[in-house]
Amino acid sequence: TQLLKQSPQFLSIQEGENLTVYCNSSSVFSSLQWYRQEPGEGPVLLVTVVTGGEVKKLKRLTFQFGDARKDSSLHITAAQPGDTGLYLCAGARFTAGNKLTFGGGTRVLVKP
Amino acid sequence: SQTIHQWPATLVQPVGSPLSLECTVEGTSNPNLYWYRQAAGRGLQLLFYSVGIGQISSEVPQNLSASRPQDRQFILSSKKLLLSDSGFYLCAWDPSGLDNSPLHFGNGTRLTVT
Repeated sequence: TQLLKQSPQFLSIQEGENLTVYCNSSSVFSSLQWYRQEPGEGPVLLVTVVTGGEVKKLKRLTFQFGDARKDSSLHITAAQPGDTGLYLCAGARFTAGNKLTFGGGTRVLVKP
Repeated sequence: SQTIHQWPATLVQPVGSPLSLECTVEGTSNPNLYWYRQAAGRGLQLLFYSVGIGQISSEVPQNLSASRPQDRQFILSSKKLLLSDSGFYLCAWDPSGLDNSPLHFGNGTRLTVT
């Protein structure tokens, strides 16, 4: 079973539309990170959220950490083709020596 | 600035052949080092991590092994590859002793076992 579940697995939208990716777990995380990965490359960090209820904005991307630190969401406003990629959430748990556990990823395709 | 190098970028190997993937980090000392495997378009599975020279922890039982002969060198090996070893292998590092630090990934090696 996957500790961190991402939904949806795949999302195809038109340029200008909004989208939300969810990352859910029954476990509590000390922090949660979001990465974006392009084909043939390694993931690159977008943001780290640490405090329950925290909201961080990165241009058109809004990240939220749940109050109980068990879930997170990524919202993209007015998506552009450059937002296309694989989005990965990764959580760190105190009980796991803060090693990251990754979700299964959400593949986002933004069509022009 | 820190950089991470991973090679080769792609590799096609027959079943039963040995494997050696190398990863080196520059610009930092005593990093934590990681090997991940990624199925096509999916999440990352942690295979090994190392907090220092000669210190290797394995997360899942498998046909692979890892070694850290130098502070900034991490090697993934196999004596005999299986078809199921095919995948995208990613090396990563983060600074030791810092909470919530992000992972810095190499560009990966795509391994196809035929």
